[in-house]
Amino acid sequence: DAGITQSPRHKVTETGTPVTLRCHQTENHRYMYWYRQDPGHGLRLIHYSYGVKDTDKGEVSDGYSVSRSKTEDFLLTLESATSSQTSVYFCAISRETHGYTFGSGTRLTVV
Amino acid sequence: LAKTTQPISMDSYEGQEVNITCSHNNIATNDYITWYQQFPSQGPRFIIQGYKTKVTNEVASLFIPADRKSSTLSLPRVSLSDTAVYYCLVGFRIWNSNSGYALNFGKGTSLLVTP
Repeated sequence: DAGITQSPRHKVTETGTPVTLRCHQTENHRYMYWYRQDPGHGLRLIHYSYGVKDTDKGEVSDGYSVSRSKTEDFLLTLESATSSQTSVYFCAISRETHGYTFGSGTRLTVV
Repeated sequence: LAKTTQPISMDSYEGQEVNITCSHNNIATNDYITWYQQFPSQGPRFIIQGYKTKVTNEVASLFIPADRKSSTLSLPRVSLSDTAVYYCLVGFRIWNSNSGYALNFGKGTSLLVTP
């Protein structure tokens, strides 16, 4: 997993509750990304970060916010979870010679 | 982000060569083409990346014509373990960085290899 840890691995939450997913890296990479994966949609970019406190939106950013207060941590927050946010969430870092390296994913179920 | 189009699924027998073609008609000058492989319950894994012509590594070859509007991933002599989803991605370097990309994965091609 090249030093990328996602937590939690699985989570079930109720509609309307806030949820924060954590991505932790140990290799001091500048760029980090959050994707969601759903059947029929492939992987879609939610947000990405290009440094501490520097973030930008991806293709499907509505309903999500991110924060990066330290190089090693990139947090994804669902302010008020909805059933449409039930998905598998992947964090990734990018490296020059091998593109993206992904974490193991977080399976989120909103009931 | 440039849009990519690739077949939804492909079937192959063990030992055959598999070619997966991806079209990216609106690829930009600074865009690179990258292919990833994903197994169930895992994150995608980098296979190969190129900008133009041909690139080969120990796993696959990537063919890119001169107009760069398409690319073909070639997997030589596939085995059952090559059954996976393969993604073609086109992306730009973020702020002229050597390591930052914002990539659109699309839906991928589901490859099934059978005996």
